[in-house]
Amino acid sequence: EDQVTQSPEALRLQEGESSSLNCSYTVSGLRGLFWYRQDPGKGPEFLFTLYSAGEEKEKERLKATLTKKESFLHITAPKPEDSATYLCAVQVKGSQGNLIFGKGTKLSVKP
Amino acid sequence: KAGVTQTPRYLIKTRGQQVTLSCSPISGHRSVSWYQQTPGQGLQFLFEYFSETQRNKGNFPGRFSGRQFSNSRSEMNVSTLELGDSALYLCASSFDEVYGYTFGSGTRLTVV
Repeated sequence: EDQVTQSPEALRLQEGESSSLNCSYTVSGLRGLFWYRQDPGKGPEFLFTLYSAGEEKEKERLKATLTKKESFLHITAPKPEDSATYLCAVQVKGSQGNLIFGKGTKLSVKP
Repeated sequence: KAGVTQTPRYLIKTRGQQVTLSCSPISGHRSVSWYQQTPGQGLQFLFEYFSETQRNKGNFPGRFSGRQFSNSRSEMNVSTLELGDSALYLCASSFDEVYGYTFGSGTRLTVV
């Protein structure tokens, strides 16, 4: 069965304290892995798409990496405005429009 | 550029009623997907439409249905509402999977 597991469920950081979020996946054939950010009461906001092991993408303080079994979202020197729930999702080959989501990591960054 | 628009934002319905939710994708996007988000189950895929055709469907009962119009706007319908249908319903559109999926702000449905 295709599935996505994110850890930790919740993470509290001090402003400037770097850390990583984990997304492990088991799929029959990976089409792509997506990272989203979701603020309370809003829809998920697209961050990155990764397609093959070894691929890395960066955006401001965020960097996403991908291996054959997991992905990491590294947050460097986070700020309070980075507080949100970060969602990881995979798309299986041949499964149009169907993203399989993990339960998310709720990140809180204290000033 | 306008994002994905979902209407209404909030809805309260009674058990047994039916409801229709609307989604207007980003201009030029022909793929529209629907998801249900609950605290317990997270985001779960309902169905996906491309050029008015349903290409993919998740594991939801037949009470959940959808359609897409020629202008790519999409609607989803839930009949015979149950308390467990209370959730945030999200719509996402895409031009091409390479560019990812853009989500709307959702419709918060409460069934009482």
